[in-house]
Amino acid sequence: ILNVEQSPQSLHVQEGDSTNFTCSFPSSNFYALHWYRWETAKSPEALFVMTLNGDEKKKGRISATLNTKEGYSYLYIKGSQPEDSATYLCAFGGFYKLSFGAGTTVTVRA
Amino acid sequence: EAGVTQFPSHSVIEKGQTVTLRCDPISGHDNLYWYRRVMGKEIKFLLHFVKESKQDESGMPNNRFLAERTGGTYSTLKVQPAELEDSGVYFCASSRGQGASTEAFFGQGTRLTVV
Repeated sequence: ILNVEQSPQSLHVQEGDSTNFTCSFPSSNFYALHWYRWETAKSPEALFVMTLNGDEKKKGRISATLNTKEGYSYLYIKGSQPEDSATYLCAFGGFYKLSFGAGTTVTVRA
Repeated sequence: EAGVTQFPSHSVIEKGQTVTLRCDPISGHDNLYWYRRVMGKEIKFLLHFVKESKQDESGMPNNRFLAERTGGTYSTLKVQPAELEDSGVYFCASSRGQGASTEAFFGQGTRLTVV
């Protein structure tokens, strides 16, 4: 069983402010790390797939970094907007299945 | 391209009843996965099909759960008889290939409530 931890469990951020949160995972036998954005009653939407140590990926105001040696990834949201409110899930990619963390729920206050 | 679709979106059943969830993967995706999220916890793997064959069903909780993928197209997940602890959101996902960095596309989930 792979232990994937996300912190914090939830956070509130003021509109316009930036925020970040963490995903930690086993550093041994690393293959890939996936980030998803999930709004309740909708499909989890893939944000990033990260494979290389030191990788940094960006999609609009959202970016992510990866440190495979110490086993963590950060997701950053710059200039938060109400539409960024969602649960952000990270998942450790095994050969064919994903091991998810419990998610960080972000609420952006107008 | 149509995404992964799941039916129903919600289901409320009584303990002891049977429920069947359906998943239509993206056309051409040989790999189909079922996952489940119990309230407030992480999404957990249930099983994996490659075409019509079960590759790994190690995540299936017990023999009350039966998944099928006849013809290698859509899949069904039957829970019989349902118990209270089966409540949660059941996700289906599909992918064209396998591999740790392969993107899996998820459906919107079926929210199952057992009362």
